[in-house]
Amino acid sequence: GIQVEQSPPDLILQEGANSTLRCNFSDSVNNLQWFHQNPWGQLINLFYIPSGTKQNGRLSATTVATERYSLLYISSSQTTDSGVYFCAVEPDFGNEKLTFGTGTRLTIIP
Amino acid sequence: KAGVTQTPRYLIKTRGQQVTLSCSPISGHRSVSWYQQTPGQGLQFLFEYFSETQRNKGNFPGRFSGRQFSNSRSEMNVSTLELGDSALYLCASSSGQGWLSSGANVLTFGAGSRLTVL
Repeated sequence: GIQVEQSPPDLILQEGANSTLRCNFSDSVNNLQWFHQNPWGQLINLFYIPSGTKQNGRLSATTVATERYSLLYISSSQTTDSGVYFCAVEPDFGNEKLTFGTGTRLTIIP
Repeated sequence: KAGVTQTPRYLIKTRGQQVTLSCSPISGHRSVSWYQQTPGQGLQFLFEYFSETQRNKGNFPGRFSGRQFSNSRSEMNVSTLELGDSALYLCASSSGQGWLSSGANVLTFGAGSRLTVL
């Protein structure tokens, strides 16, 4: 099946810093979503971005489908940004559903 | 608009028992997907239901089953529980009609049901 790799696995930053999270995938996709899982386990959809660039406040994401990667940018980090960020993809072909990467654990220190 | 509701939020069972988890999707959403999250395996797809039919199934043993009702609510059942079934079980809903618009594939997750098997 499709492989999804996220980097870095862990990231510790001071409040106010910027960060870039990366998601590499092994096949062409028709669906790519970024999620944030808060410390209580709730998964929140951040972006639906199978290609192109989107922005929502301090967060933005870019997917370069032809090169099979996506980036999530977080600017001016706040402590509430802490948690695990997941990239999930659905391949163009085959019967696979949304496959999640292993996540990036982000910790923002006040 | 109410979100995805999962019940119960927490439960403790013993090996050999069975468990039923419930998921009420966002009003108007016809697709419900279930995922299992464990520290070792991460988030793994269990199954997806659309209009009461199982549309897709992940690589889990037959002890894991599910169904969807005419009001789109879904239940999943795990029989003969094993210690390794301890996990956070997450349900997500979408309109499920991805062929109509790409945005229909966006998943909204519930808060999850945390199962502990002793």
